[in-house]
Amino acid sequence: SQQGEEDPQALSIQEGENATMNCSYKTSINNLQWYRQNSGRGLVHLILIRSNEREKHSGRLRVTLDTSKKSSSLLITASRAADTASYFCATLPGSGGYNKLIFGAGTRLAVHP
Amino acid sequence: NAGVTQTPKFRVLKTGQSMTLLCAQDMNHEYMYWYRQDPGMGLRLIHYSVGEGTTAKGEVPDGYNVSRLKKQNFLLGLESAAPSQTSVYFCASKGQGADTQYFGPGTRLTVL
Repeated sequence: SQQGEEDPQALSIQEGENATMNCSYKTSINNLQWYRQNSGRGLVHLILIRSNEREKHSGRLRVTLDTSKKSSSLLITASRAADTASYFCATLPGSGGYNKLIFGAGTRLAVHP
Repeated sequence: NAGVTQTPKFRVLKTGQSMTLLCAQDMNHEYMYWYRQDPGMGLRLIHYSVGEGTTAKGEVPDGYNVSRLKKQNFLLGLESAAPSQTSVYFCASKGQGADTQYFGPGTRLTVL
């Protein structure tokens, strides 16, 4: 069963705008990760936030985590056409389980020049 | 350093045929995973391995078998393909103690 659910399913913005994607999950987690998938390609790891962290930055990416609401958000600032991709959140359950990530269904982001 | 590679990239099967998907990684990773990706459903774990000679079932293992005879290779087999197995298959690997999984480019499988 899916743990993470992304919202919105699809997002269309203009270059230079910010893009915010949200992820909700159901059970306690060890960490939450965001991955990016360009069309027809494999997933690429973007950023990880641990359960005891509330915010993390990496370049134009900002991730927040609210464990009380079981939710996370990914913010991409000053978006570029090259950011067009699908973005997935993946949770590592708090019980461990051989590091089996549970992926959400993803948000499709389209950035228009 | 090729990372994670998958062969073949594309394949069309008829119902009942069998095939093996090969995943290879050159990062000396202990953990390897097989996922399938279907439209609107994200990735679902089929089988995984925590080391050479070990395999375990994931979320959707039925209809698939795996083997990890060598540390660098993880094979996914379909004994008797069904149209419900039409999907894109991704392999991933991860080092011991690490958090990040590294993905291959995927295999697009169509079962007619």
